[in-house]
Amino acid sequence: GAVVSQHPSRVICKSGTSVKIECRSLDFQATTMFWYRQFPKKSLMLMATSNEGSKATYEQGVEKDKFLINHASLTLSTLTVTSAHPEDSSFYICSARGGTGDEEAFFGQGTRLTVV
Amino acid sequence: DAKTTQPPSMDCAEGRAANLPCNHSTISGNEYVYWYRQIHSQGPQYIIHGLKNNETNEMASLIITEDRKSSTLILPHATLRDTAVYYCIVAGANSKLTFGKGITLSVRP
Repeated sequence: GAVVSQHPSRVICKSGTSVKIECRSLDFQATTMFWYRQFPKKSLMLMATSNEGSKATYEQGVEKDKFLINHASLTLSTLTVTSAHPEDSSFYICSARGGTGDEEAFFGQGTRLTVV
Repeated sequence: DAKTTQPPSMDCAEGRAANLPCNHSTISGNEYVYWYRQIHSQGPQYIIHGLKNNETNEMASLIITEDRKSSTLILPHATLRDTAVYYCIVAGANSKLTFGKGITLSVRP
């Protein structure tokens, strides 16, 4: 299957700082990218959907000013957690999908964020 | 998107077929059935998807009932590495994928 690379895989940051997570589709053009977060022993929760060149659509309850999403090219989307707090510690996962049909979405390996 | 219902867990013996059920009684005509799995602390892995017809690939088979209200993912020869949480998701083409709780499959030696 297609490859989606997420970087970094783990990051520890101090409270109040910002952290950027990158998501790249390596062998296809991703017209749509999705960002999820996952708490321990819970399912994935969709945070936002982004289409290349346009603003992200955030799910209800997700603060768009806190979780900044940029999808500037067909192969790269970034999620920036601004002014991070310990409760932002979580597993963040991106997903990328190409085309406009029933193509499957492929997922990155996830980023474990720990805010201390 | 239509909701799906899966049992919370099941187990099977290594080498045997694992049949994972999923109910999606409110599926609409243009929605696909997708299956993903997640091994601990990794991103989900795509397995298979289908609309109406049964599908098979190198990983699994997907059997969709004629009324499309339920489906079964079949892993023909389960191995220990197939132990994971399996998610059945119903979504329209190019729509967001909403994950439920999934089913935890435990493959025993």
